[in-house]
Amino acid sequence: NAGVMQNPRHLVRRRGQEARLRCSPMKGHSHVYWYRQLPEEGLKFMVYLQKENIIDESGMPKERFSAEFPKEGPSILRIQQVVRGDSAAYFCASSPDREAEAFFGQGTRLTVV
Amino acid sequence: AQSVTQLDSQVPVFEEAPVELRCNYSSSVSVYLFWYVQYPNQGLQLLLKYLSGSTLVKGINGFEAEFNKSQTSFHLRKPSVHISDTAEYFCAVSNGGSNYKLTFGKGTLLTVNP
Repeated sequence: NAGVMQNPRHLVRRRGQEARLRCSPMKGHSHVYWYRQLPEEGLKFMVYLQKENIIDESGMPKERFSAEFPKEGPSILRIQQVVRGDSAAYFCASSPDREAEAFFGQGTRLTVV
Repeated sequence: AQSVTQLDSQVPVFEEAPVELRCNYSSSVSVYLFWYVQYPNQGLQLLLKYLSGSTLVKGINGFEAEFNKSQTSFHLRKPSVHISDTAEYFCAVSNGGSNYKLTFGKGTLLTVNP
């Protein structure tokens, strides 16, 4: 059973471009969570999704950020018109239900130049 | 609102020495408590968690933590560390009843020297 798979592992974008981060949850997991780790900071919750539904997006910036978890395929975190402050490590986690332990992926390190 | 304070940003120790990584939290509701480890360029791995019951929790790799409700602490300990324990350690808390929406501390970098 493969773990949570995130790709790409490293992503470089110029200011103003779009960044798409992908997360494939563990097999049998239908709950996905995205966290952001800014330099010198702990992880901060962004959004919680189930298949085709956003359950809690209280940690998402109001503009430029969106997330989806379609019926088929990976969860996508999309950042439009990236700025230098978006440079961070973005971690995805998954669980079989909201009460179970969440397993984390290796993260995508986004660098905006 | 919840918050987590990890009092030490860096902890250098020698191999085979004991170590304690400190974590204090604040919350107005009952909580679940977690310790995660992050090796360089890796994701987070759960070391141990406290949900209820015994306040002394044993985890993987010889780590343990004690939940102290009166002091709102959840310090992580290991009696004898190895070079391979060098990593960043994160304490996290969530509302009792939910494992998601974890609030993390800023992390403690444990460096084990020979």
